[in-house]
Amino acid sequence: AQKITQTQPGMFVQEKEAVTLDCTYDTSDQSYGLFWYKQPSSGEMIFLIYQGSYDEQNATEGRYSLNFQKARKSANLVISASQLGDSAMYFCAMRELPFYNQGGKLIFGQGTELSVKP
Amino acid sequence: DSGVTQTPKHLITATGQRVTLRCSPRSGDLSVYWYQQSLDQGLQFLIQYYNGEERAKGNILERFSAQQFPDLHSELNLSSLELGDSALYFCASSVDAEEKLFFGSGTQLSVL
Repeated sequence: AQKITQTQPGMFVQEKEAVTLDCTYDTSDQSYGLFWYKQPSSGEMIFLIYQGSYDEQNATEGRYSLNFQKARKSANLVISASQLGDSAMYFCAMRELPFYNQGGKLIFGQGTELSVKP
Repeated sequence: DSGVTQTPKHLITATGQRVTLRCSPRSGDLSVYWYQQSLDQGLQFLIQYYNGEERAKGNILERFSAQQFPDLHSELNLSSLELGDSALYFCASSVDAEEKLFFGSGTQLSVL
């Protein structure tokens, strides 16, 4: 069965520094997708970045990058140059492919609360 | 703005009542997903519809039901509400050929 583990319930980072949020996953499938979402205190879920299991390069989206280590089954999110607005809950999620077999649902980890200090 | 619209944003009701949560997916998205977020359970997948048909079912209670209409909007019906149903309910949508799910801003349900 799919499982996502985020072992850091809370983290602090100084403004302008980089921070890594950990995510490990468990799946028996060869094809899957990994996601990171941000949930600020206002509650909405904001898509940040996606990595496919067959993507050879690590995904990047602006200040976000995904450190994908397939053999270790880890998909850590790296935020560079942290900003105060980055303070939020961050969720790692996985979706097994092909989606039409699984319905395309995402399985989420428990989240990591990131606090950026000025 | 994700393009996914959920109404209402907040809902306060009493135990035993029935409520309907509404979701309009992004333009062009055929797939709609419902999730429940609570402090003790985290984000739990409830159900998915694709172009009007149920595609996948998760941890959805029998007291809950959903449907997707021909115009692709979806409704989640929660009946015989209990205190434990208090949660943030999210709708998400995707074009099934793509990988990303885009979430609405959620409906905060409080059962008193």
